[in-house]
Amino acid sequence: NAGVTQTPKFQVLKTGQSMTLQCAQDMNHEYMSWYRQDPGMGLRLIHYSVGAGITDQGEVPNGYNVSRSTTEDFPLRLLSAAPSQTSVYFCASSYRQAYGHGYTFGSGTRLTVV
Amino acid sequence: QKEVEQDPGPLSVPEGAIVSLNCTYSNSAFQYFMWYRQYSRKGPELLMYTYSSGNKEDGRFTAQVDKSSKYISLFIRDSQPSDSATYLCAFNAGNNRKLIWGLGTSLAVNP
Repeated sequence: NAGVTQTPKFQVLKTGQSMTLQCAQDMNHEYMSWYRQDPGMGLRLIHYSVGAGITDQGEVPNGYNVSRSTTEDFPLRLLSAAPSQTSVYFCASSYRQAYGHGYTFGSGTRLTVV
Repeated sequence: QKEVEQDPGPLSVPEGAIVSLNCTYSNSAFQYFMWYRQYSRKGPELLMYTYSSGNKEDGRFTAQVDKSSKYISLFIRDSQPSDSATYLCAFNAGNNRKLIWGLGTSLAVNP
């Protein structure tokens, strides 16, 4: 089925550990992005990419790295996990010209940092 | 003043009721107005969007944009238990990649 696939669905990390959240889409979307969703804070943009080889920071980029080597994949790396990074992470993709009205979201990764 | 205000609810209604969900905003540059629906433990999915102003209808759902009052609404007619979800408004000025999101309104439709 076409869509955005995120792995893993759940993860528990210890403080200081690193990990990569995977995101893949099969819709040939140019634009991909990572959000975190926290109670009372809503959706906040971490990083985004408008195409392979191009990435940029969102509102809350500190502690996270991204790269975009292919159109399909956009992994999010946590460099040294902190309890403040406990959250639900969503990957979203769209065509380049969709200004928010064509976003497809993945089902999310629930991350707990202890 | 926050750029977007959305009452988080929760809103609880009986099946068949008409539901009205609202967001206010302060940025007059917004051109794209979206409503996303998010079921528990799922990602948001686009429900409706409007470019510029006016109304848009899709089945039981109607989206309204009032740019003069900086106010958008989503109406759900003949609400169903399957409409129970969190509804997020989102805005974009059309000149960059930044979406501005509301915090979401939690809706429960009781059978």
